[in-house]
Amino acid sequence: AQSVTQLGSHVSVSEGALVLLRCNYSSSVPPYLFWYVQYPNQGLQLLLKYTTGATLVKGINGFEAEFKKSETSFHLTKPSAHMSDAAEYFCAVNRQGGKLIFGQGTELSVKP
Amino acid sequence: DAEITQSPRHKITETGRQVTLACHQTWNHNNMFWYRQDLGHGLRLIHYSYGVQDTNKGEVSDGYSVSRSNTEDLPLTLESAASSQTSVYFCASSERLAGAGDTQYFGPGTRLTVL
Repeated sequence: AQSVTQLGSHVSVSEGALVLLRCNYSSSVPPYLFWYVQYPNQGLQLLLKYTTGATLVKGINGFEAEFKKSETSFHLTKPSAHMSDAAEYFCAVNRQGGKLIFGQGTELSVKP
Repeated sequence: DAEITQSPRHKITETGRQVTLACHQTWNHNNMFWYRQDLGHGLRLIHYSYGVQDTNKGEVSDGYSVSRSNTEDLPLTLESAASSQTSVYFCASSERLAGAGDTQYFGPGTRLTVL
């Protein structure tokens, strides 16, 4: 069975600081992993995804994530936070048939 | 540009009423999905469809139904609304038929309140 755990429902960083949002997964099949971002009162937007190939994946808005099979992790990072990064972030893993399982979400706050 | 739209964006209804939430996509995607978003639960799958006349139950399908009569639309019906169905509902679509790794594109959501 597949599952996703996001560590920390709320993360707060200062503007310019490193952003690290944690995601661990379990999967009985080779995983495809996704990070989505949700800005207030909007739908989800894909930040990046890992399917096959390079384990370090670069996404939009300066975010990147590294697939670590041995640690079953897919943590999201950004070297320098910007006020506009304040949003909710969801990690997800594929299930059979193209369905996704989502983590509970992490709300990122950015302090000036 | 192709897009996915939902209507209404906000809805208030009373317990026991039938409610239909609309989802329309112009991506020409075969796969369409309905999720509900609740605090502490992330997004949970309600129903999904892989094509016209195809519908399937997700993990939280009780009290909901869908129908797929064309490629573009997947309306979600709450047969008899309950307060537990107060939530934000998202529709999504993806391109390939049952292909893992597909990006799902999300609509803007419908906030439903059941009084």
